[in-house]
Amino acid sequence: TQLLEQSPQFLSIQEGENLTVYCNSSSVFSSLQWYRQEPGEGPVLLVTVVTGGEVKKLKRLTFQFGDARKDSSLHITAAQPGDTGLYLCAGGNHGGSQGNLIFGKGTKLSVKP
Amino acid sequence: DAMVIQNPRYQVTQFGKPVTLSCSQTLNHNVMYWYQQKSSQAPKLLFHYYDKDFNNEADTPDNFQSRRPNTSFCFLDIRSPGLGDAAMYLCATQGDPQGVRTGAFFGQGTRLTVV
Repeated sequence: TQLLEQSPQFLSIQEGENLTVYCNSSSVFSSLQWYRQEPGEGPVLLVTVVTGGEVKKLKRLTFQFGDARKDSSLHITAAQPGDTGLYLCAGGNHGGSQGNLIFGKGTKLSVKP
Repeated sequence: DAMVIQNPRYQVTQFGKPVTLSCSQTLNHNVMYWYQQKSSQAPKLLFHYYDKDFNNEADTPDNFQSRRPNTSFCFLDIRSPGLGDAAMYLCATQGDPQGVRTGAFFGQGTRLTVV
């Protein structure tokens, strides 16, 4: 069974601070995805990374896929209250009908004004 | 415009009374997933379809069944809901062009309450 470990589980910071969330596994994934979920809503895709060592930027968010495609990180610069939410990483496997998408436990981020 | 639509948003059912949740998509994606998410937990994969091929997760109870009559629609049937089945149920779709999976698109979820 493939597992994704996310850390930290909870993070409470002040507006303007930087933070990093980690997603680790002992398994290799074809792709890793990051989602943000607000209470009562479905997760919303932020980014997909597929190449080992890949770095993607989305405004103040920087995503990195580990060289061995087993881990990923999400770094937020100058966090804002609007960044508050549950951040989920998900590992994907390709391979036709056998591929699936499993989630880490999530990091609950609270950014205080 | 919503691309993955789940109905209803909120469902109240009686203990033991069968209930069906529905999901439709306008993305023409091969893959459709059903997840169960309980409060403050990550989504847990129940099963998924690749076209008509059905894949059940090993730890999904037999109480949960699914149907995908065509590309656009997928249903989650809970045969005899128990109190422990109260949760948010999320449907998601994923494209698979040339065997490379895209990001997943989620519906807004159905919040199931069992009374």
